[in-house]
Amino acid sequence: DGGITQSPKYLFRKEGQNVTLSCEQNLNHDAMYWYRQDPGQGLRLIYYSQIVNDFQKGDIAEGYSVSREKKESFPLTVTSAQKNPTAFYLCASRGGFSQPQHFGDGTRLSIL
Amino acid sequence: AQSVAQPEDQVNVAEGNPLTVKCTYSVSGNPYLFWYVQYPNRGLQFLLKYITGDNLVKGSYGFEAEFNKSQTSFHLKKPSALVSDSALYFCAVRDIQLQTGANNLFFGTGTRLTVIP
Repeated sequence: DGGITQSPKYLFRKEGQNVTLSCEQNLNHDAMYWYRQDPGQGLRLIYYSQIVNDFQKGDIAEGYSVSREKKESFPLTVTSAQKNPTAFYLCASRGGFSQPQHFGDGTRLSIL
Repeated sequence: AQSVAQPEDQVNVAEGNPLTVKCTYSVSGNPYLFWYVQYPNRGLQFLLKYITGDNLVKGSYGFEAEFNKSQTSFHLKKPSALVSDSALYFCAVRDIQLQTGANNLFFGTGTRLTVIP
């Protein structure tokens, strides 16, 4: 089945450590997105990529980095500069201009 | 800038009764509006969208939404609620940046629906 796979489902970070969240899609979508979800705040856009080898900062990019070297992959690195990384992270992709975004099942990141 | 508001954090409804989850929007230009549902520890699932055309949009799992331009609203409805409809619901509006060509979504803060048996 086509879809978006996020891994791992749960991740723990130590102080001063960078961690990378994986997002892979087999929908052949050009656009991909990373969101952060905190209780009561909805989804906030971290980074997005409209095409391979290109990405743009979203509303809360500080402390995060991404790459888009392949169409199907859009990994997110949470760096040690992100002082409050505990959250639920969601990856999404989109096909055509008016099409909805499709979401993975998320990665929950916690601090040890 | 585009925005959406979900004025109710929590909605409770009895099983079998009709349900409404409210959403209002603010956009420049024509609105592209979406509803998503989220179950615990899962991603968002697409329910329906309004791009143009009929003001009553039908979607997945028996949900529908009514687009009202004069009231700038896009309320989600279902004639008869099920216990399994209990979840977190998000309204979203397309945010298109002409300068960059970005085509993103701006989400509301979500409404938690509880259907009481």
